[in-house]
Amino acid sequence: SYVLTQPPSVSVAPGETARITCGGNNIGTKPVHWYQQKPGQAPVVVIYYDSDRPSGIPERLSGSKSGNTATLTISRVEAGDEADYSCQVWDSSSHWVFGGGTKLTVL
Amino acid sequence: EVQLLESGGGLVQPGGSLRLSCAASGFTFSNYAMTWVRQAPGKGLEWVSAISESGSSTYYADSVKGRFTISRDNSKNTMFLQMSSLGVEDTAVYYCVKETVVRGFIKYFDPWGQGTLVTVSS
Repeated sequence: SYVLTQPPSVSVAPGETARITCGGNNIGTKPVHWYQQKPGQAPVVVIYYDSDRPSGIPERLSGSKSGNTATLTISRVEAGDEADYSCQVWDSSSHWVFGGGTKLTVL
Repeated sequence: EVQLLESGGGLVQPGGSLRLSCAASGFTFSNYAMTWVRQAPGKGLEWVSAISESGSSTYYADSVKGRFTISRDNSKNTMFLQMSSLGVEDTAVYYCVKETVVRGFIKYFDPWGQGTLVTVSS
């Protein structure tokens, strides 16, 4: 089965840049989506198709891919960005796959 | 506004069954594939099952195959998840999700319902 690997946690000070990685075999060939989930709330898509932002998502959030790693970058981090972030791909053998999630802590 | 409202969660004993429902509104339900995703307490997201627009095709995670059955009633804009032989490992919040399609082939999950909690315990 296909596996996506994320760091369990990332910490960053307000105003700094947070980078959350998502590793997977041949992830470069798969569209990657990112979801934000705040405590007690349902997930919300923040990046789809590697780097596209849905309407209403600030430009501070961006997505990229290089090699076997996709990255969600949050610039000028704010307290309100504190949440769990999960990456997702579709794989022919596993269907839909999520990464384990990364808890972003704003110091 | 697209809305997804799950119901049917609750406490069930190991080995028991439960049927979840997802009532959809605000979009043409029959035009979209739908999915169930679950999240165990303190854990990450796990895809559970998906169903095609017409309901003719269904897909399951290995962890629930043979125990869960997904279905939909397009005339009532409702999706279902029939769960049987439940174990403690099935304890989770179950989310109903719409598969949004862009550029004709890119699918992602948007929006998500608020979820319904299933607790399997004796």
